[in-house]
Amino acid sequence: EAQVTQNPRYLITVTGKKLTVTCSQNMNHEYMSWYRQDPGLGLRQIYYSMNVEVTDKGDVPEGYKVSRKEKRNFPLILESPSPNQTSLYFCASSNAHYSSPADTQYFGPGTRLTVL
Amino acid sequence: DQQVKQNSPSLSVQEGRISILNCDYTNSMFDYFLWYKKYPAEGPTFLISISSIKDKNEDGRFTVFLNKSAKHLSLHIVPSQPGDSAVYFCAASNPGGTSYGKLTFGQGTILTVHP
Repeated sequence: EAQVTQNPRYLITVTGKKLTVTCSQNMNHEYMSWYRQDPGLGLRQIYYSMNVEVTDKGDVPEGYKVSRKEKRNFPLILESPSPNQTSLYFCASSNAHYSSPADTQYFGPGTRLTVL
Repeated sequence: DQQVKQNSPSLSVQEGRISILNCDYTNSMFDYFLWYKKYPAEGPTFLISISSIKDKNEDGRFTVFLNKSAKHLSLHIVPSQPGDSAVYFCAASNPGGTSYGKLTFGQGTILTVHP
């Protein structure tokens, strides 16, 4: 089954304690992205990756890091989480690339993060 | 600066009637638009899309209309069913630009369809 998986689904942590949210897709997609969803703001892009070892900032990258060492995985790293990073996070992937840029994105089930 | 706006936070309709969800955008570079549906505790799922070269795209009960001059698009659901109750997000992209693949989302509209 084609899917995007995220782990953990729920996480409560404290300020300053480094954490990683994993994301994996089995569709051989080149494009992967992280979003956060906040009330009244919709989904905002944090970081994206066009391919292995190619990443770039989205609209709200402050306080986050990503890496893309393998095509299927795109972890989101919070080096020193703060309460304003409490949010619902979604990973997404798509087959968008330079020659076929318009493609739908497939989303993971979400990770609800609470930073105390 | 919210480049994609859904000004109605919620919409309530009766089963069998038409649901109309609206979306406005400000960036004239957007030329590909999508609607996503989201149920609680799940990720958004793709519903329907439209390219700027069209003004209408239909898929079963779902039709998206695009008015480029007004920078406005709408999603029509006919007839509405209780299972359509969800949050609907409008999204826009500029696939021809260097930021291909990037989606800019609206705030979402909660649709409730009453039996």
